[in-house]
Amino acid sequence: SYVLTQPPSVSVAPGQTARITCEGINIGNKGLHWYQQRSGQAPVLVIYYDSHRPSGIPERFSGSNSGNTATLTISRVEAGDEADYYCQLWDITSDYLIFGGGTKLTVL
Amino acid sequence: QVQLVQSGAEVKKPGASVKVSCKPSGYTFTAYAINWVRQAPGQRLEWMGRINAGNGNTKYSQKFQGRVTITRDTSASTAYMELSSLRSEDTAVYFCARHGPVGEEDYQFYYGMDVWGQGTTVTVSS
Repeated sequence: SYVLTQPPSVSVAPGQTARITCEGINIGNKGLHWYQQRSGQAPVLVIYYDSHRPSGIPERFSGSNSGNTATLTISRVEAGDEADYYCQLWDITSDYLIFGGGTKLTVL
Repeated sequence: QVQLVQSGAEVKKPGASVKVSCKPSGYTFTAYAINWVRQAPGQRLEWMGRINAGNGNTKYSQKFQGRVTITRDTSASTAYMELSSLRSEDTAVYFCARHGPVGEEDYQFYYGMDVWGQGTTVTVSS
């Protein structure tokens, strides 16, 4: 089945830019979504269809998707952005939803 | 306000079954699908399956096929996930999440799961 690969961890200082990647074969041809999950809470959708932000999500969150890599970019990182981030897509072949392994964002 | 409210925590013995409910509010229940996603302690999110709340069609992850049953009651506007033959490895938080609208072709390609329940902790222990 389709596999999404994320780095286990990313660290960034406050005010800097964090980039979290999600890799998969021809992922650029698939609709890719991103979720933020703070400790002990339910996931929150922060980017859908590669680069679209749901209402209420700050403009600091952006996404891109091309080739074999999708990227979630968080600008001007704040302490409150510290969380696990998951990429997810719909595998049309299997009709399954697939999650990446998650990336822990640490704000130094 | 759109929200999904799940039933409370459960403690079950190995071999038993558990049934978790998910009651949406603030939108038309049948216009969306409900997915079930679980998370074992310290582990990744894991998709279990979904139900189209409009027509009742279901799809299950192969990992849980045969053990999981997802249903919905349109009169109660509630979705359910039942997991049988529980083992210790099923100890996890179980989330329901809204996906759709199902009336749009290939909605899963274009939309993420935009509303999540608060999670239900299921503990399997002898």
